Amino acid sequence: QVQLEQSGPGLVKPSQTLSLTCAISGDRVSSNSAAWNWIRQSPSRGLEWLGRAEYRSKWSNDYALSVKSRITINPDTSRNQFSLQLKSVTPEDTAVYYCARGLYINSYYYFDYWGQGTPVTVSS
Amino acid sequence: QSVLTQPPSVSGAPGQRVTISCTGSSSNIGARFDVHWYRQLPGTAPKLLIYGNNNRPSGVPDRFSASKSGTSASLAITGLQAEDEADYYCQSYDSSLTAWVFGGGTELTVL
Repeated sequence: QVQLEQSGPGLVKPSQTLSLTCAISGDRVSSNSAAWNWIRQSPSRGLEWLGRAEYRSKWSNDYALSVKSRITINPDTSRNQFSLQLKSVTPEDTAVYYCARGLYINSYYYFDYWGQGTPVTVSS
Repeated sequence: QSVLTQPPSVSGAPGQRVTISCTGSSSNIGARFDVHWYRQLPGTAPKLLIYGNNNRPSGVPDRFSASKSGTSASLAITGLQAEDEADYYCQSYDSSLTAWVFGGGTELTVL
């Protein structure tokens, strides 16, 4: 059974960097059949995929165009976790942030396990 | 505005059948990218309900089924139960955005 445990601050000031961590149990961040995603949800934007990190002989990232210039997702193999950094935040980045495992099975790719969610407010 | 369009709400009486539509375009569902469905209860994370167009993870009853045709997909729930009340989301991949995309969500009310 895979479990994802999120941690990080719930309040970030405008122009600062949002940082969250997702600790993985029951799988490895370096798994060859999974990718590690960040997704956020807000009333104005709905569910929005932000990006992912995956390992296929080497690490690679994919990021949503809407945040590509501001986002970094990094794996930490020693702690079996991955992190989200979103720079230069504005109130529009206020949302519930989720980490999620993306699983590759039989040519499908879907989000089968999610973290508990972290409500993040961007405000001074 | 979400890339995939869902009705904001649907409702049905216990025992009835309801369907939830998910309309996309030629760059996502119409491009033959798979559609997956999630269910979300208030205050909790979305949970996988259907993957790969019509496959149920272990533990999901066969009252839930899905289909896809052209640029649209749909989720059907038969034998509606009070516990089915939740928000339901479709999800696919969009080749123009090079991103995984979600529908705006549909709130299901059991009357």
